[in-house]
Amino acid sequence: AQSVTQLDSQVPVFEEAPVELRCNYSSSVSVYLFWYVQYPNQGLQLLLKYLSGSTLVKGINGFEAEFNKSQTSFHLRKPSVHISDTAEYFCAVSDPGTASKLTFGTGTRLQVTL
Amino acid sequence: EAGVAQSPRYKIIEKRQSVAFWCNPISGHATLYWYQQILGQGPKLLIQFQNNGVVDDSQLPKDRFSAERLKGVDSTLKIQPAKLEDSAVYLCASSLDRGANVLTFGAGSRLTVL
Repeated sequence: AQSVTQLDSQVPVFEEAPVELRCNYSSSVSVYLFWYVQYPNQGLQLLLKYLSGSTLVKGINGFEAEFNKSQTSFHLRKPSVHISDTAEYFCAVSDPGTASKLTFGTGTRLQVTL
Repeated sequence: EAGVAQSPRYKIIEKRQSVAFWCNPISGHATLYWYQQILGQGPKLLIQFQNNGVVDDSQLPKDRFSAERLKGVDSTLKIQPAKLEDSAVYLCASSLDRGANVLTFGAGSRLTVL
């Protein structure tokens, strides 16, 4: 069975500082990997996804993530955060055979302050 | 295009009462999902429909939860009788089909069971 671990439940950061949100997955087969963002009182929105090919994936709002198969990681990064990036971020994994069946991590709360 | 619509946004009930949530997916999306998101946890898939048929309901507590998508469009999730541990946000999502790797989520229905 697949699983996702997000070790950091909360990440506080100052505006314009860089940030990295960590995600590790467990799977014995090839995977699809995703990052979703959830703003307060809203549904989840796709930030970026890795299906195959280049291991560096760029998403919306200046976010990027790098797939590292040897470390089974898919960390999310942004070089300079904004107050509006304050939200909950979820890493998710799926099997390419059932691409839409997502297993989510527990989420990381990114809190950006001035 | 219109997003995934859910109602009600908020519901407070007492334990042992019943509740129903409604979801209208994006037009043309064949696959519909119900996720349960308990506070502090990532979303967990309860049930997946392909058109009006159930694809996966392995994590649906069938003794109290039921869901239907009779005409292959909108869907209803029911809980009867509710327990305290059912307090959560119920997220509906849709995708073009089972092989699609992008889900569009609704804003969710927040249930509080007292």
